[in-house]
Amino acid sequence: EIVLTQSPATLSLSPGERATLSCRASQSVGTSFAWYQQKPGQAPRLLISDASNRATGIPARFSGSGSGTEFTLTISSLEPEDFAVYYCQQRYNWPRTFGPGTKLDIK
Amino acid sequence: EELLVESGGGLVKPGGSLRLSCAASGFPFGDAWLSWYRQAPGKGLEWVARIKRPPDVGATDYGAPVKGRFSISRDDSKKTVYLQMNSLKTEDTAVYYCSTDHSVYSASSGNWLEPWGQGTLVTVSS
Repeated sequence: EIVLTQSPATLSLSPGERATLSCRASQSVGTSFAWYQQKPGQAPRLLISDASNRATGIPARFSGSGSGTEFTLTISSLEPEDFAVYYCQQRYNWPRTFGPGTKLDIK
Repeated sequence: EELLVESGGGLVKPGGSLRLSCAASGFPFGDAWLSWYRQAPGKGLEWVARIKRPPDVGATDYGAPVKGRFSISRDDSKKTVYLQMNSLKTEDTAVYYCSTDHSVYSASSGNWLEPWGQGTLVTVSS
């Protein structure tokens, strides 16, 4: 099973600032990698697939990068609605596994 | 636009059974691989089970914590995927979500989407 580690666990920033979230995989997953956003009481929402492709309807301020074992989600300028929990997921093999999440909260 | 809607959750005693349903609409269900995920209260996301599309419908896979107790199936005529949960444990308490494992085309929106349902809560408690 591929283990994903996210950092930091919590990130406190202000609207307008840039957010950088990281995820490391225990073995190479190529670019078979996704990022999700989840707000309280809601289902996860796909942001990024294939490491860097924005899902339909996702604003351009969200971008993903990386390959192999190191991945980054960048939010270029935080909007109030971006404060949420973010999960990474590997899609390289089964079982699909997730990181423990990064909570992005308002400073 | 709700493409996936789960139902069937509720309160059940340890050792009991429950069957969840996930009804799909708005995309070609027969082309989709489907998975169940879960999220325990205050915890992260966990993949539970997956079923492939026809003709590989028998190709199912399960997460280690549920293998041998849970069973995933689909009825393409009803556009519904099921999760039969037996021998339930307190640690199975979670919100259960269904999702496609890849992008599907939504004719109503004209977009490729990877939908998740809104989730259904399963509570295992005596």
